[in-house]
Amino acid sequence: AQKITQTQPGMFVQEKEAVTLDCTYDTSDPSYGLFWYKQPSSGEMIFLIYQGSYDQQNATEGRYSLNFQKARKSANLVISASQLGDSAMYFCAMSSGYSSASKIIFGSGTRLSIRP
Amino acid sequence: NAGVTQTPKFRVLKTGQSMTLLCAQDMNHEYMYWYRQDPGMGLRLIHYSVGEGTTAKGEVPDGYNVSRLKKQNFLLGLESAAPSQTSVYFCASSYVGGRSGNTIYFGEGSWLTVV
Repeated sequence: AQKITQTQPGMFVQEKEAVTLDCTYDTSDPSYGLFWYKQPSSGEMIFLIYQGSYDQQNATEGRYSLNFQKARKSANLVISASQLGDSAMYFCAMSSGYSSASKIIFGSGTRLSIRP
Repeated sequence: NAGVTQTPKFRVLKTGQSMTLLCAQDMNHEYMYWYRQDPGMGLRLIHYSVGEGTTAKGEVPDGYNVSRLKKQNFLLGLESAAPSQTSVYFCASSYVGGRSGNTIYFGEGSWLTVV
């Protein structure tokens, strides 16, 4: 069975510091995808970054990078130079299953708070 | 640009009542999903569909039924609502499922309270 685990319920970080949000996953499918989403207090889901299981390089999107360690089954999100606007819930998600695509599950989330 | 539209956005039900949440997408997507999000928690997959006429169970399917009679619509039904089903429900759709990055579109959520 597929599973996503986020072990940090909450984190406090000083503005401009880098922060790493942990995510581990479990799947028996050889092909899968890993996502990170941001959910601000307004409730919408904002896509941040994606990593395919066969991608050779770690994904990067602006200040976001995904530290993909396949052997350890981890997909940590790194936010460089954090900003006050980064305060939100962050969810790790995984797609796997039929056609390596159809089932998408989420972790329980990490609430990130940025201190000025 | 409607995207993914959920109706209703807010609903209060009495225990034992039934209701249907409608998710409509105008992007011709094959894949559609229903999630629930309880306070302070992540999204849990209820049911999903990989195409018109097909549905599959997710992580927490009990107490819910779904139908995908038309490609653009994915209905979530509660036959006999229970207080434990009080939650925010999100619908999502995608044309490639989870094969690529920014290809999953979420609705704005439906707040359901069962008293």
